[in-house]
Amino acid sequence: AQSVTQLGSHVSVSEGALVLLRCNYSSSVPPYLFWYVQYPNQGLQLLLKYTSAATLVKGINGFEAEFKKSETSFHLTKPSAHMSDAAEYFCAVSDGTGRRALTFGSGTRLQVQP
Amino acid sequence: EADIYQTPRYLVIGTGKKITLECSQTMGHDKMYWYQQDPGMELHLIHYSYGVNSTEKGDLSSESTVSRIRTEHFPLTLESARPSHTSQYLCASSRPSGYNEQFFGPGTRLTVL
Repeated sequence: AQSVTQLGSHVSVSEGALVLLRCNYSSSVPPYLFWYVQYPNQGLQLLLKYTSAATLVKGINGFEAEFKKSETSFHLTKPSAHMSDAAEYFCAVSDGTGRRALTFGSGTRLQVQP
Repeated sequence: EADIYQTPRYLVIGTGKKITLECSQTMGHDKMYWYQQDPGMELHLIHYSYGVNSTEKGDLSSESTVSRIRTEHFPLTLESARPSHTSQYLCASSRPSGYNEQFFGPGTRLTVL
């Protein structure tokens, strides 16, 4: 069984500040991990993915995430927030078998203050 | 580039009506999914399909039904809509690989009066 926990349902940062969105996972097998972003009234867009290659993964829009097996974490970061980053962010885990859908976290809403 | 389409984008309908939410993808993906998402909330899997003539219920019980007659098409039907069905419905598809990376459509926001 897999699960994902996103700490903090709401995160607020100032424009230009560091963005840190937390994700911890539980998986009985080596996981594949994803971060998705959802803008209002839209579907989910893939930001980045970890598929057991490099532990530091770079994604679109300047985001990156680091896979830390010892901490079972896959936190999302961006050095400098932009107003356009305001959205809902979802962490998700796959068990790698390809049989089932992803397991999603409950999401973190990012607000960027001017 | 992911190409997955959902129609309609917005639907307001009265109680008791039958509705079908359309989902199509042009990527040739075998696996397709339907998620239900209330505003500001997490996604709940309600249906999935591994290929033509294959459909399974997801983790969240739903009164909706799905069909998969063609690879590219995965419609969701509600025989008799109720206000409790008001939600956003997201369709997704994925490649036949172990990663299970999913591509999402824009969603249908359904309001049942």
